[in-house]
Amino acid sequence: EAGVAQSPRYKIIEKRQSVAFWCNPISGHATLYWYQQILGQGPKLLIQFQNNGVVDDSQLPKDRFSAERLKGVDSTLKIQPAKLEDSAVYLCASSLDRRFLRERRIQETQYFGPGTRLLVL
Amino acid sequence: GEDVEQSLFLSVREGDSSVINCTYTDSSSTYLYWYKQEPGAGLQLLTYIFSNMDMKQDQRLTVLLNKKDKHLSLRIADTQTGDSAIYFCAERNRDDKIIFGKGTRLHILP
Repeated sequence: EAGVAQSPRYKIIEKRQSVAFWCNPISGHATLYWYQQILGQGPKLLIQFQNNGVVDDSQLPKDRFSAERLKGVDSTLKIQPAKLEDSAVYLCASSLDRRFLRERRIQETQYFGPGTRLLVL
Repeated sequence: GEDVEQSLFLSVREGDSSVINCTYTDSSSTYLYWYKQEPGAGLQLLTYIFSNMDMKQDQRLTVLLNKKDKHLSLRIADTQTGDSAIYFCAERNRDDKIIFGKGTRLHILP
């Protein structure tokens, strides 16, 4: 089974530029997450999708960050314009339909991609 | 303050047991997790424990949960060089979100 794919793996940009990251979740996974992992920290949830709908974007800095999952499969995360403090690893994760799992009291397992390492200069 | 806290570094000799500790604050946590992150890779779920359990064993891994003290530990028996990584403790909190600690970097001494 193929895992979660992310691209690019590395990106270096200057502040005020724009950048986009792409994620392809595991086939059949309805739930998709984007996390930001700053150096020395644990991952912090940015946004969660259920199919093509946003479930939780409470921690997404919406003045500069946006994300979409138009067809309910792959997803893009964009930063426009980037700031120095956006330097981090951006992790994508996916899982089976959370509502399905919760109704059946089955523990949800999130599968993580390798991440995109962003450096803003 | 931090919802999940863990020490940042641990050094262990190869063959010894490693014990990584974690404390959390949300008494309503349903599940607690241990993830492993190797250099340049994403997080890999190692094991998890439901909050009404106090112990779970899976091969070389033993998870202990003290719900009263909100303390979670991961014991790795017979630590190998391949166990060198960052280990993240995480809780699923009352809002059904997974909150991660800052990670404990495990260094294996020869």
